[in-house]
Amino acid sequence: AQSVAQPEDQVNVAEGNPLTVKCTYSVSGNPYLFWYVQYPNRGLQFLLKYITGDNLVKGSYGFEAEFNKSQTSFHLKKPSALVSDSALYFCAVRESGSSNTGKLIFGQGTTLQVKP
Amino acid sequence: EAQVTQNPRYLITVTGKKLTVTCSQNMNHEYMSWYRQDPGLGLRQIYYSMNVEVTDKGDVPEGYKVSRKEKRNFPLILESPSPNQTSLYFCASSLRLAGGPGNEQFFGPGTRLTVL
Repeated sequence: AQSVAQPEDQVNVAEGNPLTVKCTYSVSGNPYLFWYVQYPNRGLQFLLKYITGDNLVKGSYGFEAEFNKSQTSFHLKKPSALVSDSALYFCAVRESGSSNTGKLIFGQGTTLQVKP
Repeated sequence: EAQVTQNPRYLITVTGKKLTVTCSQNMNHEYMSWYRQDPGLGLRQIYYSMNVEVTDKGDVPEGYKVSRKEKRNFPLILESPSPNQTSLYFCASSLRLAGGPGNEQFFGPGTRLTVL
């Protein structure tokens, strides 16, 4: 069965420091991997995705993520955190392939708190 | 502005009173989907649609109906709402499902539904 794990409920970092939000996945076949961010009372905003190719993917707002096939991980990173990055972050996966339903499997979410 | 809109954003209703949550996208997307978000359960897919007049069940379709008469609209219908349908609902759309540009899903702002 497909699944996504975000092992940390909350990540705390100081402004200006690098941040990492962890994600591991389980899917049969080749995965499509996504990161979304949710601000209070807002919908999910797409940050970046991995489909194929380069393992390091760059996305919106200076975020990037590294796909590691052997570790089945897709950790979200940013070199220098901003207070405005504080939000709830979701990792999601879905299977590639013609029979898929487009269903995204989401992790439980990780709250990122960036302190001044 | 390219977006997915949902109405209403907030709704309190009573058991058994039929309601419809509308979803509209202005990006000419083929694929649309409904999710519900519940604490501890994450986001789960309710229904999805590959294109006009093509809809199918997701993981939690019981108690819901959908229709896709036009490409831009994908309403979620609760014929006889019950308290266990109290949740935060998100509509999402994407240009396509296959790999490559345009397969990321864009989410609406959410509809918070309370059924008493």
